Amino acid sequence: GAVVSQHPSWVICKSGTSVKIECRSLDFQATTMFWYRQFPKQSLMLMATSNEGSKATYEQGVEKDKFLINHASLTLSTLTVTSAHPEDSSFYICSARDWAGGDNSPLHFGNGTRLTVT
Amino acid sequence: AQSVTQPDIHITVSEGASLELRCNYSYGATPYLFWYVQSPGQGLQLLLKYFSGDTLVQGIKGFEAEFKRSQSSFNLRKPSVHWSDAAEYFCAVGASKAAGNKLTFGGGTRVLVKP
Repeated sequence: GAVVSQHPSWVICKSGTSVKIECRSLDFQATTMFWYRQFPKQSLMLMATSNEGSKATYEQGVEKDKFLINHASLTLSTLTVTSAHPEDSSFYICSARDWAGGDNSPLHFGNGTRLTVT
Repeated sequence: AQSVTQPDIHITVSEGASLELRCNYSYGATPYLFWYVQSPGQGLQLLLKYFSGDTLVQGIKGFEAEFKRSQSSFNLRKPSVHWSDAAEYFCAVGASKAAGNKLTFGGGTRVLVKP
């Protein structure tokens, strides 16, 4: 079945540094990928929609200059948390849909990245 | 704006017993409804979805859900739970069939299974 690979699965970084998270669709192409954020014991909140070859669409309240999204190919989207601070510590999950599958194709989620900023 | 409410934050159930997780949604048009399961530290797996047609939908792992428009509900059920069903369950509503287009998730229900 379709697989979305997210890397790294966990990362610890110092405050002020930047961290890049990769989301890859392994056996399908995705023109659109989605980035979610999940705080402990809370639900997923959509941060942005990553569009291949164009700018990402950010949800209200999400700082686009802080959370840089690049979707340079049909199988890879990256989320870079710039100048990370402890409050950015969270679980980041990406998801993607096989664009060739039409409207009924399911959404596939990565296994998430646990970011801890010290 | 669409919203999803899962009234139960935690549910504890004995292995072999039945399980029902509640989900209420608010959406102005025809809702596209989903249930996902998340194991600790993992991403989400789609259990089932409702787009139209038969209001009782069957999913994977023995789960089913029933769409009740009059109650704005989409409750998830399983007749007999297994220890491996212990996880967090999320109900979600989407603006279109395309799973992931602006999905709004409920707060989640954590299911604990007693031996």
